[in-house]
Amino acid sequence: GENVEQHPSTLSVQEGDSAVIKCTYSDSASNYFPWYKQELGKGPQLIIDIRSNVGEKKDQRIAVTLNKTAKHFSLHITETQPEDSAVYFCAASRDSSYKLIFGSGTRLLVRP
Amino acid sequence: NAGVTQTPKFRILKIGQSMTLQCTQDMNHNYMYWYRQDPGMGLKLIYYSVGAGITDKGEVPNGYNVSRSTTEDFPLRLELAAPSQTSVYFCASSPSLFANTGELFFGEGSRLTVL
Repeated sequence: GENVEQHPSTLSVQEGDSAVIKCTYSDSASNYFPWYKQELGKGPQLIIDIRSNVGEKKDQRIAVTLNKTAKHFSLHITETQPEDSAVYFCAASRDSSYKLIFGSGTRLLVRP
Repeated sequence: NAGVTQTPKFRILKIGQSMTLQCTQDMNHNYMYWYRQDPGMGLKLIYYSVGAGITDKGEVPNGYNVSRSTTEDFPLRLELAAPSQTSVYFCASSPSLFANTGELFFGEGSRLTVL
């Protein structure tokens, strides 16, 4: 069935360093890939998304890359700050589907 | 701006008890969803609704029921609670049904423990 694998499950970086989180999806028809950030005690919040007709998208310190051939996509956070500490979820969906298939999450800790 | 509001935030149930998780949104979104989040797992869709009076099953609907009498409210009912229903529950709403055309707005979650 449809599946999204996410790695690593935990990631600890020094403030100012970069962080990369990777996801692999199984459904080759998937064409929409959002990333959600969940802060402690809060619900997930959309931070960036990418569609399959684009290879990379940037928004200030965050960027997402997509490799459709390999069926994987990644979140890149540069110049990390303590407020980036949170759980990050990748997800995948296909056209005209209500269903978002979520990865298992990555807990990012940015050490001051 | 309230967004999506869930109550209660925490609840402990005994096996076999029933309860309702409340969810209300003030963004006039037609589409609402209930997800559960288990440790080390992604979010799984329980039920969703495309508008008042219309609901449908998601990936893991067994043991749950929903209703949608108004645009704003989408309660989730647990009948005969079981330990397997121990989880964090999130309600969400969206201006669109399709994942690729609308952002999901989540509530802060309800942590349920069944003992």
